[in-house]
Amino acid sequence: QLVLTQSPSASASLGASVKLTCTLSSGHSNYAIAWHQQQPGKGPRYLMKLNSEGTHNKGDGIPDRFSGSSSGAERYLTISSLQSEDEADYYCQTWGSGFWVFGGGTKLTVL
Amino acid sequence: EVQLVESGGGFIQPGGSLRLSCAASGFTVSTNYMTWVRQAPGKGLEWVSLIYSGGNTYYADSVKGRFTVSRDNSKNTLYLQMNSLRAEDTAVYFCARDPLVVTGTWGQGTQVTVSS
Repeated sequence: QLVLTQSPSASASLGASVKLTCTLSSGHSNYAIAWHQQQPGKGPRYLMKLNSEGTHNKGDGIPDRFSGSSSGAERYLTISSLQSEDEADYYCQTWGSGFWVFGGGTKLTVL
Repeated sequence: EVQLVESGGGFIQPGGSLRLSCAASGFTVSTNYMTWVRQAPGKGLEWVSLIYSGGNTYYADSVKGRFTVSRDNSKNTLYLQMNSLRAEDTAVYFCARDPLVVTGTWGQGTQVTVSS
């Protein structure tokens, strides 16, 4: 079964870096994913698509502070030079045959 | 500018019907994979439906047989017809351009509340 697992919460200080993790279920380690950001009270925003090699295609206007990488079944979103507006929920998402799967989301708090 | 604007949400009694619209600008709906996603109050994102550029449609088990996705090429608009609505369908509904092969795009969402 295709499942994405995310930690429910993360925190980091203003100006620091944080690395969020999304783990693909067994047997699906070669799947690409997408990262989406949802700021409080807003709709989601597409950040990037990330494949198993770590290559990512970012959305329009996404700052260079956002980057992606991969290792095995894990897909990472790294945000550097954290700003207050980065405080948001971050969801990973992948594709099955005729369906999408979302991770449970990680709530990022900027201290 | 690439943009999606949803409309059609509202307050509806259980068993009722609503049709959501998602008007696109800056790209052509019919040549893209398009999806509907919903978010119940305080919950995460839940995939609802998908329509491929070729016209194939797919649904989450929770809405299969009750919801229908379609598009109007002349209006460059995506639709979600929702019938036999239940309280558990209460959510904000978002349309999105699938980022599988192109840059992903999300709408701002429309609220659907099912309650007696």
